[in-house]
Amino acid sequence: ELKVEQNPLFLSMQEGKNYTIYCNYSTTSDRLYWYRQDPGKSLESLFVLLSNGAVKQEGRLMASLDTKARLSTLHITAAVHDLSATYFCAVDLGGASKLTFGTGTRLQVTL
Amino acid sequence: DVKVTQSSRYLVKRTGEKVFLECVQDMDHENMFWYRQDPGLGLRLIYFSYDVKMKEKGDIPEGYSVSREKKERFSLILESASTNQTSMYLCASSWQGYNEQFFGPGTRLTVL
Repeated sequence: ELKVEQNPLFLSMQEGKNYTIYCNYSTTSDRLYWYRQDPGKSLESLFVLLSNGAVKQEGRLMASLDTKARLSTLHITAAVHDLSATYFCAVDLGGASKLTFGTGTRLQVTL
Repeated sequence: DVKVTQSSRYLVKRTGEKVFLECVQDMDHENMFWYRQDPGLGLRLIYFSYDVKMKEKGDIPEGYSVSREKKERFSLILESASTNQTSMYLCASSWQGYNEQFFGPGTRLTVL
């Protein structure tokens, strides 16, 4: 059974600081997705990582995938309040079209 | 832009009622999914469908059924609602072979 673990589960950080969210998974996969969810809202796709070594960047967020380590990271650079949200990673085993989601990391950026 | 819509944002029902949640997507996606989201439990897959009239059980199908009569529409049915089905329900869709899922706005269901 595929397990996807994120840490930390909750992160409070000051504006301007850097931090990394980790997503570990238990079965070989070379496809992983990151989503953002604002309070009371649905999930919005952030990044699609489709191979080992893939790196994607959008603004202050950068995501990477290391399939050998079964690890993806979401790095936040110089955080701003607007980044406050819950971030989910989701692993794709292919074939069956299903995704397995991590438990989410709630990010709170304080002024 | 991909658009996934859900029939209600908020719904309040009584125990024992039959509840229909409807999801419609406009991007000709083959795959459609129903999840529920609860605090501390993340997203859990209830059912999914990869074609019209096809359905597969997800991780927590008990107490739910689904219907997919048309490609763009996927319905989740609670045959007899119970209080432990109070939750946020999210619908998603994706293309066959490319599994990035696009989510609807969610339905917050309360069962009294």
